[in-house]
Amino acid sequence: EMVMTQSPATLSESPGGRATLSCRASQSINSHLAWYQQKPGQAPRLLIYGASTRATGVPVRFSGSGSGTEFTLTISSLQSEDFAVYYCQQYNNWPRTFGQGTTVEI
Amino acid sequence: EVQLLESGGGLVQPGGSLRLSCAASGFTFSNYVISWVRQAPGKGLEWLSDISGSGGSTDYADAVKGRVTISRDNSKNTVYLQMNSLRVEDTALYYCAKEAWNYAYFEDWGQGVLVTVSS
Repeated sequence: EMVMTQSPATLSESPGGRATLSCRASQSINSHLAWYQQKPGQAPRLLIYGASTRATGVPVRFSGSGSGTEFTLTISSLQSEDFAVYYCQQYNNWPRTFGQGTTVEI
Repeated sequence: EVQLLESGGGLVQPGGSLRLSCAASGFTFSNYVISWVRQAPGKGLEWLSDISGSGGSTDYADAVKGRVTISRDNSKNTVYLQMNSLRVEDTALYYCAKEAWNYAYFEDWGQGVLVTVSS
């Protein structure tokens, strides 16, 4: 099973700051990586797919990069509504697997 | 607008059974793979099962294989998850999610339904 490792577990930032989240795959997954945002009491929301393509309606301050085994989600200027948990998910191999999540907190 | 609405959760004793439903609207239901993903309290996301648009192909995670059956009724735009031999560790919020066309990431999610397994 493909293991997805996210770091850091928790990221403390200020509004207006820049957040960089990492996701590492145990084997190459090409660009078959998605990022999700989950706020308390809500379902996950797709942010990025194909490692770097923003989903419909996602603000441009969210950007994804990487391929192979190393991936990054960057939030360029944190807004109050961005404080949440972020998960990466690979869909290159069966079964699809998620990282353990990174909490972005104030 | 895509909508996914789960139902059927609740409290069940260990060894018991439940059937979850996911009612969909806002898209051509029979064209899309639907998955179930769960989240234990305070934990991350775990993919459980999916079913093809026609219902002819299904997949299961090892954690639930043999205890869970996924099915769908395209005339009712509904996917089901029959869960048997439930364990305490199956306690979680269960989401249904619509996969992207031809790719196994999740474009849309329901709000989830809570399953609690406890004596």
